[in-house]
Amino acid sequence: EADIYQTPRYLVIGTGKKITLECSQTMGHDKMYWYQQDPGMELHLIHYSYGVNSTEKGDLSSESTVSRIRTEHFPLTLESARPSHTSQYLCASSEFEDAGELFFGEGSRLTVL
Amino acid sequence: AQKVTQAQTEISVVEKEDVTLDCVYETRDTTYYLFWYKQPPSGELVFLIRRNSFDEQNEISGRYSWNFQKSTSSFNFTITASQVVDSAVYFCALITYGNNRLAFGKGNQVVVIP
Repeated sequence: EADIYQTPRYLVIGTGKKITLECSQTMGHDKMYWYQQDPGMELHLIHYSYGVNSTEKGDLSSESTVSRIRTEHFPLTLESARPSHTSQYLCASSEFEDAGELFFGEGSRLTVL
Repeated sequence: AQKVTQAQTEISVVEKEDVTLDCVYETRDTTYYLFWYKQPPSGELVFLIRRNSFDEQNEISGRYSWNFQKSTSSFNFTITASQVVDSAVYFCALITYGNNRLAFGKGNQVVVIP
């Protein structure tokens, strides 16, 4: 069973608010990822990290930012939320040598009014 | 560039019917891995299978089976005797050696009707 946790599971906020989506894993994985899932189900990689102090932009441009100060923690922040940010955000992690076998959290569903 | 195509968006079947999900991939690399993930209504993606490009053996795991054919760049997934618990979104994915970024298809929504 994967040990990767996301909070909050659901968040409804107004435009302009700052939000942080938390993601933590207890497996000691070096690699962590954030995916954005649109209502049409498609998954888009928006950020990834290969270890502490390493962060990279993904394939889909995003106004969010991430940090990786500790191995187990990979939070995503939106400084000023807009309705276009409404989506499901999925965090994942994997071992460095293990190509592709990602462990996913249950997701954070964000609604910006 | 790498790309995964899952043409069928939503598939409805009656319980106990078989359902096959098609996955076609594109890559110029000779070394790559293919995956299937399941996303139940709870939201998290669950890893089902990984297959590397040098292993074309088909695989069966309970009611699940996978057919990998490099000649047609396909990695199809069949659920035999479907059950209501199989209702989920299923994603096919591809990662190439040295890329480290998993490319997902758009997903197949499977609805099993009791």
